[in-house]
Amino acid sequence: SQQGEEDPQALSIQEGENATMNCSYKTSINNLQWYRQNSGRGLVHLILIRSNEREKHSGRLRVTLDTSKKSSSLLITASRAADTASYFCATDILKGGSEKLVFGKGTKLTVNP
Amino acid sequence: GAGVSQSPRYKVAKRGQDVALRCDPISGHVSLFWYQQALGQGPEFLTYFQNEAQLDKSGLPSDRFFAERPEGSVSTLKIQRTQQEDSAVYLCASSLDRGNQPQHFGDGTRLSIL
Repeated sequence: SQQGEEDPQALSIQEGENATMNCSYKTSINNLQWYRQNSGRGLVHLILIRSNEREKHSGRLRVTLDTSKKSSSLLITASRAADTASYFCATDILKGGSEKLVFGKGTKLTVNP
Repeated sequence: GAGVSQSPRYKVAKRGQDVALRCDPISGHVSLFWYQQALGQGPEFLTYFQNEAQLDKSGLPSDRFFAERPEGSVSTLKIQRTQQEDSAVYLCASSLDRGNQPQHFGDGTRLSIL
């Protein structure tokens, strides 16, 4: 079963616009990570935000985390055609010493040139 | 250095055959993970190794699935008596150490069971 749910499932924007994707999860976490996946490829780690952090930036990426609402958002500013990919949030499971990540179903982003 | 390498990239097998999927993690990475990804879905956890020890195999869907990492480096995921529902992309990931660090993924093996 998948803990995270991304919203929207699909997003289509024009180059230069901002893209916002949301993620909700169910259980307590240590941290939340965002990954990108290009078609036919593996996942690429984008950013990790810890449960005691509220906001984090990396280049054109901005991630927020609200642990009271069990939600996170990923903002990509000034999007480029190369940002076209699926984006997944992933949470760890705060029990039993397991290191596994639980992924959502992803948001498929299309950036039109 | 090289990233995570998986082989083969594509595997077609007949129902009932056994298959073996290989993962070469980044050198020196302690943690290794296997995930199964169905079309249009996010990866689902199968199993986790810390060095050669398999610490979590809670995601393996049945006893037909078996994973090993005997020397704490290369790992093999074996599926016995394959079924059509085993068709998916199998992703391997590694991370440097313990503690829910960023995971580095290979490009996966796309398994098709006919």
